Amino acid sequence: DADVTQTPRNRITKTGKRIMLECSQTKGHDRMYWYRQDPGLGLRLIYYSFDVKDINKGEISDGYSVSRQAQAKFSLSLESAIPNQTALYFCATSTGGVNTEAFFGQGTRLTVV
Amino acid sequence: DAKTTQPNSMESNEEEPVHLPCNHSTISGTDYIHWYRQLPSQGPEYVIHGLTSNVNNRMASLAIAEDRKSSTLILHRATLRDAAVYYCILRRGGSNYKLTFGKGTLLTVNP
Repeated sequence: DADVTQTPRNRITKTGKRIMLECSQTKGHDRMYWYRQDPGLGLRLIYYSFDVKDINKGEISDGYSVSRQAQAKFSLSLESAIPNQTALYFCATSTGGVNTEAFFGQGTRLTVV
Repeated sequence: DAKTTQPNSMESNEEEPVHLPCNHSTISGTDYIHWYRQLPSQGPEYVIHGLTSNVNNRMASLAIAEDRKSSTLILHRATLRDAAVYYCILRRGGSNYKLTFGKGTLLTVNP
């Protein structure tokens, strides 16, 4: 099983609908992140969480919200989806400390029509 | 986070070494240099990181300039599986582990 699992892997939704993307991890890491990737671009940080009670906005948080239900689970919600939120979404986890690496999920391809 | 500059694309032949450059002229003393790569249709994966000294691991080597304003990721023998987008990222030392991605370098490996 993957260390970082994202569900669903693909989703098509209509404009205005609320949608939730889920991420779970078995790494035991305290830090979790949501990124968005548009074609030809790098990843942009949406939200990040350093523990269950610590949620922080990233560079592009407008139109998104998150919930850290447990150490292992971090969900991203689009309150009212719009077409320019069509993108590839990645969840990542890491520990704290200076010699750390992040582990990414396989991504969720979201299409808003 | 300080900015990095990478070539948009590079090409290599299979089984030859590849040197992927990264410029980071505004790097601060506490910034770690991280490299990730993203294979087609996959999430990014960690490759290597370093602070001041050159680093080696099973995947690659990282050569860091003495002034730390540039670095080079070295793949010793490129394989077709190494075709990916390679991201050079600066991460400030400390507890705030935010990775800020640029556009990276698209590496094409020719058979």
